[in-house]
Amino acid sequence: DAGITQSPRHKVTETGTPVTLRCHQTENHRYMYWYRQDPGHGLRLIHYSYGVKDTDKGEVSDGYSVSRSKTEDFLLTLESATSSQTSVYFCATIAGSTDTQYFGPGTRLTVL
Amino acid sequence: AQTVTQSQPEMSVQEAETVTLSCTYDTSENNYYLFWYKQPPSRQMILVIRQEAYKQQNATENRFSVNFQKAAKSFSLKISDSQLGDTAMYFCAFIGDDKIIFGKGTRLHILP
Repeated sequence: DAGITQSPRHKVTETGTPVTLRCHQTENHRYMYWYRQDPGHGLRLIHYSYGVKDTDKGEVSDGYSVSRSKTEDFLLTLESATSSQTSVYFCATIAGSTDTQYFGPGTRLTVL
Repeated sequence: AQTVTQSQPEMSVQEAETVTLSCTYDTSENNYYLFWYKQPPSRQMILVIRQEAYKQQNATENRFSVNFQKAAKSFSLKISDSQLGDTAMYFCAFIGDDKIIFGKGTRLHILP
């Protein structure tokens, strides 16, 4: 699992509040990704990072921002949470030349 | 745009039977990787098998094997001697251009 942790693992919040999810990895992987998983949609890419302070948008980036100030941490922020952002969020990294992805355990976010 | 399509939303087979899950993809790239992931009820994403596009030989991992048809852009997963523990959601994934694209998944039920 490449030492990937996510925090928190579960969160319930109210519409309009800011939320930050954290992904932490211990393997010094260059690439990190945030996905959301919803029934009928599989995993959809929100944002990804290809190095410290280097990030790019995925297919469902609206309403989300990310930051990567250190190799090991990749933060996903919902500036003003909405009910449509209720989902399970997964972080993933790529192990360099093998291009095998490793996933964190997921964070279940509920926005009321 | 790169896409991954899994045409079977749900399947059921008897224990010990062989089952094949379908996946097609679309890309203009020549070098890429393909993966199958398993997601049991625990939600953890588990790598099942990977295939490098430049390799003609189909990948095999114990009871799991793939049928990779590059020209047809097809990447099916065969599970032999299926077991109850194989019950899970299965995702086909493509990696290219630094991005990982997932299909919407196939829910597989192994019946006793």
